[in-house]
Amino acid sequence: GAVVSQHPSWVICKSGTSVKIECRSLDFQATTMFWYRQFPKQSLMLMATSNEGSKATYEQGVEKDKFLINHASLTLSTLTVTSAHPEDSSFYICSATEEAGGTYNEQFFGPGTRLTVL
Amino acid sequence: LAKTTQPISMDSYEGQEVNITCSHNNIATNDYITWYQQFPSQGPRFIIQGYKTKVTNEVASLFIPADRKSSTLSLPRVSLSDTAVYYCLVAGDAGNMLTFGGGTRLMVKP
Repeated sequence: GAVVSQHPSWVICKSGTSVKIECRSLDFQATTMFWYRQFPKQSLMLMATSNEGSKATYEQGVEKDKFLINHASLTLSTLTVTSAHPEDSSFYICSATEEAGGTYNEQFFGPGTRLTVL
Repeated sequence: LAKTTQPISMDSYEGQEVNITCSHNNIATNDYITWYQQFPSQGPRFIIQGYKTKVTNEVASLFIPADRKSSTLSLPRVSLSDTAVYYCLVAGDAGNMLTFGGGTRLMVKP
Protein backbone atom coordinates (compact mmCIF):
# COMPACT_ATOMS: atom_id res chain seq x y z
CA GLY A 1 0.00 0.00 0.00
CA ALA A 2 0.90 3.64 -0.33
CA VAL A 3 3.17 4.91 2.43
CA VAL A 4 3.60 8.44 3.69
CA SER A 5 6.39 9.34 6.07
CA GLN A 6 7.00 12.39 8.21
CA HIS A 7 10.18 13.72 9.71
CA PRO A 8 10.82 14.38 12.46
CA SER A 9 8.35 12.32 14.47
CA TRP A 10 8.71 14.73 17.36
CA VAL A 11 10.52 17.99 17.95
CA ILE A 12 11.03 20.33 20.88
CA CYS A 13 12.08 23.89 20.20
CA LYS A 14 12.44 27.22 21.93
CA SER A 15 9.90 29.97 21.46
CA GLY A 16 10.79 32.21 18.52
CA THR A 17 12.60 29.59 16.49
CA SER A 18 11.43 28.02 13.24
CA VAL A 19 10.75 24.34 12.71
CA LYS A 20 10.52 22.46 9.42
CA ILE A 21 8.47 19.27 9.07
CA GLU A 22 8.85 17.04 6.03
CA CYS A 23 6.17 14.88 4.47
CA ARG A 24 7.18 12.30 1.87
CA SER A 25 5.23 9.88 -0.26
CA LEU A 26 7.53 6.86 -0.41
CA ASP A 27 6.09 4.71 -3.18
CA PHE A 28 3.82 6.95 -5.19
CA GLN A 29 3.70 10.41 -6.67
CA ALA A 30 1.49 12.72 -4.68
CA THR A 31 -0.24 15.33 -6.75
CA THR A 32 -1.87 16.83 -3.70
CA MET A 33 -0.76 16.94 -0.10
CA PHE A 34 -2.69 18.16 2.90
CA TRP A 35 -1.54 19.46 6.26
CA TYR A 36 -3.62 18.99 9.40
CA ARG A 37 -3.21 20.07 12.99
CA GLN A 38 -4.63 18.16 15.92
CA PHE A 39 -4.79 19.36 19.52
CA PRO A 40 -5.18 16.85 22.37
CA LYS A 41 -8.55 15.10 22.50
CA GLN A 42 -9.69 17.01 19.40
CA SER A 43 -10.31 16.14 15.78
CA LEU A 44 -8.01 16.90 12.88
CA MET A 45 -8.26 20.40 11.48
CA LEU A 46 -7.22 21.00 7.90
CA MET A 47 -4.64 23.77 7.66
CA ALA A 48 -3.81 23.86 3.98
CA THR A 49 -3.85 22.03 0.68
CA SER A 50 -0.81 22.00 -1.54
CA ASN A 51 -0.34 20.93 -5.13
CA GLU A 52 3.07 20.27 -6.59
CA GLY A 53 4.55 23.36 -8.16
CA SER A 54 1.90 25.81 -7.03
CA LYS A 55 1.11 27.89 -3.97
CA ALA A 56 -0.71 26.26 -1.11
CA THR A 57 -4.33 27.04 -0.37
CA TYR A 58 -4.82 27.87 3.29
CA GLU A 59 -7.95 27.36 5.32
CA GLN A 60 -9.62 30.34 6.92
CA GLY A 61 -7.86 31.42 10.08
CA VAL A 62 -4.52 29.81 9.21
CA GLU A 63 -1.71 32.36 8.82
CA LYS A 64 0.13 31.65 5.59
CA ASP A 65 3.13 33.72 6.66
CA LYS A 66 3.47 31.71 9.83
CA PHE A 67 2.93 28.25 8.36
CA LEU A 68 5.01 28.13 5.20
CA ILE A 69 4.24 25.21 2.90
CA ASN A 70 6.42 24.15 0.01
CA HIS A 71 5.50 21.31 -2.35
CA ALA A 72 8.53 21.32 -4.59
CA SER A 73 8.26 17.78 -5.92
CA LEU A 74 5.69 15.04 -6.35
CA THR A 75 7.07 13.20 -3.33
CA LEU A 76 7.90 15.94 -0.86
CA SER A 77 6.02 18.70 0.93
CA THR A 78 7.38 20.72 3.83
CA LEU A 79 5.64 22.72 6.54
CA THR A 80 7.71 25.36 8.30
CA VAL A 81 6.36 26.82 11.49
CA THR A 82 8.04 30.22 11.71
CA SER A 83 8.67 32.01 14.99
CA ALA A 84 7.00 29.23 16.89
CA HIS A 85 5.22 29.96 20.16
CA PRO A 86 3.85 27.63 22.85
CA GLU A 87 0.35 27.87 21.39
CA ASP A 88 1.71 26.28 18.20
CA SER A 89 2.46 23.10 20.15
CA SER A 90 0.35 20.43 18.51
CA PHE A 91 0.34 17.22 16.49
CA TYR A 92 0.88 17.97 12.80
CA ILE A 93 -0.24 15.36 10.28
CA CYS A 94 0.16 15.32 6.53
CA SER A 95 -1.70 13.28 3.96
CA ALA A 96 -1.27 12.70 0.26
CA THR A 97 -3.28 11.58 -2.72
CA GLU A 98 -2.00 10.18 -5.96
CA GLU A 99 -3.12 10.68 -9.53
CA ALA A 100 -5.12 7.48 -9.81
CA GLY A 101 -7.96 8.55 -12.01
CA GLY A 102 -11.56 7.79 -11.20
CA THR A 103 -13.81 9.96 -9.14
CA TYR A 104 -12.24 9.69 -5.72
CA ASN A 105 -8.65 9.42 -4.59
CA GLU A 106 -7.94 7.95 -1.16
CA GLN A 107 -5.85 10.00 1.21
CA PHE A 108 -2.85 8.32 2.79
CA PHE A 109 -1.82 9.78 6.11
CA GLY A 110 1.61 10.19 7.61
CA PRO A 111 2.38 9.15 11.18
CA GLY A 112 2.34 12.72 12.46
CA THR A 113 4.86 15.05 14.07
CA ARG A 114 4.55 16.12 17.68
CA LEU A 115 5.75 19.73 18.09
CA THR A 116 6.40 21.12 21.54
CA VAL A 117 7.39 24.77 21.84
CA LEU A 118 8.92 25.77 25.14
CA LEU B 1 -19.02 19.90 2.19
CA ALA B 2 -21.24 17.35 3.84
CA LYS B 3 -21.20 17.53 7.63
CA THR B 4 -21.12 14.31 9.60
CA THR B 5 -22.54 13.49 13.02
CA GLN B 6 -21.35 10.56 15.10
CA PRO B 7 -21.74 9.51 18.74
CA ILE B 8 -18.96 10.99 20.84
CA SER B 9 -18.08 7.71 22.51
CA MET B 10 -19.02 4.05 22.74
CA ASP B 11 -18.05 1.24 25.07
CA SER B 12 -17.90 -2.42 24.16
CA TYR B 13 -16.42 -5.69 25.37
CA GLU B 14 -13.98 -8.00 23.70
CA GLY B 15 -15.59 -10.35 21.23
CA GLN B 16 -18.67 -8.24 20.64
CA GLU B 17 -19.76 -6.72 17.36
CA VAL B 18 -19.66 -2.94 17.34
CA ASN B 19 -21.77 -0.77 15.06
CA ILE B 20 -21.01 2.93 14.75
CA THR B 21 -23.54 5.00 12.85
CA CYS B 22 -22.77 8.27 11.12
CA SER B 23 -25.32 10.78 9.83
CA HIS B 24 -24.57 12.80 6.69
CA ASN B 25 -27.88 14.30 5.65
CA ASN B 26 -26.52 16.62 2.96
CA ILE B 27 -24.30 14.14 1.20
CA ALA B 28 -23.78 15.01 -2.46
CA THR B 29 -24.28 12.71 -5.40
CA ASN B 30 -20.55 12.34 -6.07
CA ASP B 31 -19.52 11.91 -2.41
CA TYR B 32 -18.00 8.70 -1.14
CA ILE B 33 -18.17 7.62 2.50
CA THR B 34 -14.89 6.73 4.14
CA TRP B 35 -14.04 5.59 7.64
CA TYR B 36 -10.69 6.09 9.31
CA GLN B 37 -9.25 4.76 12.56
CA GLN B 38 -6.85 6.76 14.69
CA PHE B 39 -4.75 5.64 17.63
CA PRO B 40 -3.23 8.22 20.01
CA SER B 41 -0.26 10.08 18.52
CA GLN B 42 -0.64 8.39 15.14
CA GLY B 43 -2.03 9.44 11.80
CA PRO B 44 -5.46 8.17 10.74
CA ARG B 45 -5.58 4.79 9.06
CA PHE B 46 -8.02 3.93 6.27
CA ILE B 47 -10.57 1.28 7.23
CA ILE B 48 -13.20 1.11 4.52
CA GLN B 49 -14.91 3.14 1.84
CA GLY B 50 -18.23 2.84 0.05
CA TYR B 51 -20.75 4.62 -2.12
CA LYS B 52 -23.94 2.64 -1.58
CA THR B 53 -25.30 -0.68 -0.27
CA LYS B 54 -22.78 -2.85 1.55
CA VAL B 55 -19.03 -3.10 1.42
CA THR B 56 -16.97 -5.66 3.30
CA ASN B 57 -13.24 -6.11 3.69
CA GLU B 58 -11.02 -8.10 6.01
CA VAL B 59 -11.50 -5.76 8.96
CA ALA B 60 -14.98 -4.23 8.72
CA SER B 61 -18.26 -3.88 6.91
CA LEU B 62 -19.92 -0.68 5.82
CA PHE B 63 -23.67 -0.47 5.43
CA ILE B 64 -25.16 2.40 3.44
CA PRO B 65 -28.95 2.71 3.00
CA ALA B 66 -30.51 3.70 -0.30
CA ASP B 67 -30.86 7.37 0.63
CA ARG B 68 -27.18 7.51 1.66
CA LYS B 69 -27.98 9.94 4.47
CA SER B 70 -26.29 7.71 7.00
CA SER B 71 -23.81 4.87 7.16
CA THR B 72 -22.88 2.25 9.71
CA LEU B 73 -19.42 0.88 10.33
CA SER B 74 -19.54 -2.65 11.68
CA LEU B 75 -16.55 -4.13 13.48
CA PRO B 76 -16.95 -7.86 14.09
CA ARG B 77 -15.63 -9.37 17.32
CA VAL B 78 -13.65 -6.38 18.59
CA SER B 79 -10.50 -6.78 20.62
CA LEU B 80 -8.72 -4.48 23.05
CA SER B 81 -6.54 -3.24 20.21
CA ASP B 82 -9.60 -1.80 18.47
CA THR B 83 -9.78 0.91 21.13
CA ALA B 84 -9.38 4.04 19.05
CA VAL B 85 -11.18 7.02 17.57
CA TYR B 86 -13.20 6.29 14.44
CA TYR B 87 -13.94 9.04 11.94
CA CYS B 88 -16.62 9.04 9.28
CA LEU B 89 -15.96 11.34 6.34
CA VAL B 90 -17.75 12.13 3.12
CA ALA B 91 -15.92 13.59 0.17
CA GLY B 92 -16.18 13.67 -3.57
CA ASP B 93 -13.76 14.57 -6.25
CA ALA B 94 -13.74 18.30 -5.57
CA GLY B 95 -10.09 18.54 -4.61
CA ASN B 96 -10.45 15.48 -2.40
CA MET B 97 -10.50 17.68 0.66
CA LEU B 98 -11.53 15.85 3.81
CA THR B 99 -13.33 17.49 6.70
CA PHE B 100 -13.01 15.58 9.93
CA GLY B 101 -15.92 15.61 12.35
CA GLY B 102 -15.62 14.85 16.00
CA GLY B 103 -15.20 11.12 15.59
CA THR B 104 -16.34 8.33 17.90
CA ARG B 105 -14.07 7.25 20.72
CA LEU B 106 -14.47 3.48 21.06
CA MET B 107 -13.36 1.85 24.28
CA VAL B 108 -13.12 -1.93 24.25
CA LYS B 109 -13.05 -3.48 27.69
CA PRO B 110 -11.83 -6.95 28.67
